[in-house]
Amino acid sequence: AQKITQTQPGMFVQEKEAVTLDCTYDTSDPSYGLFWYKQPSSGEMIFLIYQGSYDQQNATEGRYSLNFQKARKSANLVISASQLGDSAMYFCAMREGPGSARQLTFGSGTQLTVLP
Amino acid sequence: NAGVTQTPKFRVLKTGQSMTLLCAQDMNHEYMYWYRQDPGMGLRLIHYSVGEGTTAKGEVPDGYNVSRLKKQNFLLGLESAAPSQTSVYFCASSSHRDRDGYTFGSGTRLTVV
Repeated sequence: AQKITQTQPGMFVQEKEAVTLDCTYDTSDPSYGLFWYKQPSSGEMIFLIYQGSYDQQNATEGRYSLNFQKARKSANLVISASQLGDSAMYFCAMREGPGSARQLTFGSGTQLTVLP
Repeated sequence: NAGVTQTPKFRVLKTGQSMTLLCAQDMNHEYMYWYRQDPGMGLRLIHYSVGEGTTAKGEVPDGYNVSRLKKQNFLLGLESAAPSQTSVYFCASSSHRDRDGYTFGSGTRLTVV
């Protein structure tokens, strides 16, 4: 079974509007972390935001916020006031367990296009 | 600038040739990882290391070997390249603090012909 599912291969949003990128995850571990990364056309991976499984509040970083619904196992990224520079591929990722390996598992990504 | 440096950035290999990709980090991170990225498949973990002198297999380890002789360096080797290994390779490192995120290198685009 997929551990991270991103069901939107592509999304369009008008400049200055908000957009939500979906991410659902699957784990039986009570301790895990959820990450969002942005990959622009230049190819680098840019860390955006983190949510821990025990965090009581939804994470926010500037225009990025994470809508964390633990019971539904979803961790959607919300980008407010979209800008043309937000056009990129966005990846959701999970780090399971408190164990020593700490590797990230990625979803297949969502290509976001911001329209002027 | 502090971060993760990958070399080379681009490489074309012939089938059967070997090569080594170098990853260096200057953040004193314990953990290092090699991922490959193929179209429509996100990033998949090849091998990883939880500390100097240790390595382990990830999701797609076949055809690759790794070494971590020094804490700051993580090498990925292809002994006999195959066209199926055409991909973009990313190295990453992390500390114990999730909130700092995992830092990625800029990637190596490898083509095997």
